[in-house]
Amino acid sequence: KQEVTQIPAALSVPEGENLVLNCSFTDSAIYNLQWFRQDPGKGLTSLLLIQSSQREQTSGRLNASLDKSSGRSTLYIAASQPGDSATYLCAVTSGNTGKLIFGQGTTLQVKP
Amino acid sequence: GAGVSQSPSNKVTEKGKDVELRCDPISGHTALYWYRQSLGQGLEFLIYFQGNSAPDKSGLPSDRFSAERTGGSVSTLTIQRTQQEDSAVYLCASSLNQGGEAFFGQGTRLTVV
Repeated sequence: KQEVTQIPAALSVPEGENLVLNCSFTDSAIYNLQWFRQDPGKGLTSLLLIQSSQREQTSGRLNASLDKSSGRSTLYIAASQPGDSATYLCAVTSGNTGKLIFGQGTTLQVKP
Repeated sequence: GAGVSQSPSNKVTEKGKDVELRCDPISGHTALYWYRQSLGQGLEFLIYFQGNSAPDKSGLPSDRFSAERTGGSVSTLTIQRTQQEDSAVYLCASSLNQGGEAFFGQGTRLTVV
């Protein structure tokens, strides 16, 4: 059974810092891994999608990497800003079932 | 529309009543997912539709919950005889195909009083 874990559960950093969020999964049979952002009381916004054959994807100040064999992904946020404060969720699409399976999220606070 | 649309955005219902939640996926998307998010909790998988295949209903918490997807497009999640523990935000997502990028709607906030 696929399980997705995110560490840390919460993170507080001063503005301007570079930071890394971690995601691990137990079954390497995945189609892809996706990072989302969720603001309080809102739905999920897709940030980056990494296909299983890819190693990384970049969008602006965000860079996500994928090491399928070790079951790990990281989301790197450069030069963090208060507007980056949100909950970040990673999810894998199971290669066996097609289901999208989520971690519990990392709640990020960037202090001005 | 350009994105996934869910209605209603908010629903308050009395315990014991039935409710229907609607999801309009992005046009042409064959995969559709329903999740539930209780206050301060993560996303709980409910059901997954992929094309004409039988849906994966493994996440439905009880037989009071059911969902259908008509014509491979609009989906309705029905909760019968609602209970207070059903109070949550119900989120719908769609993707172009199995393994494609998933896009979420804004959710329906259900409150059972």
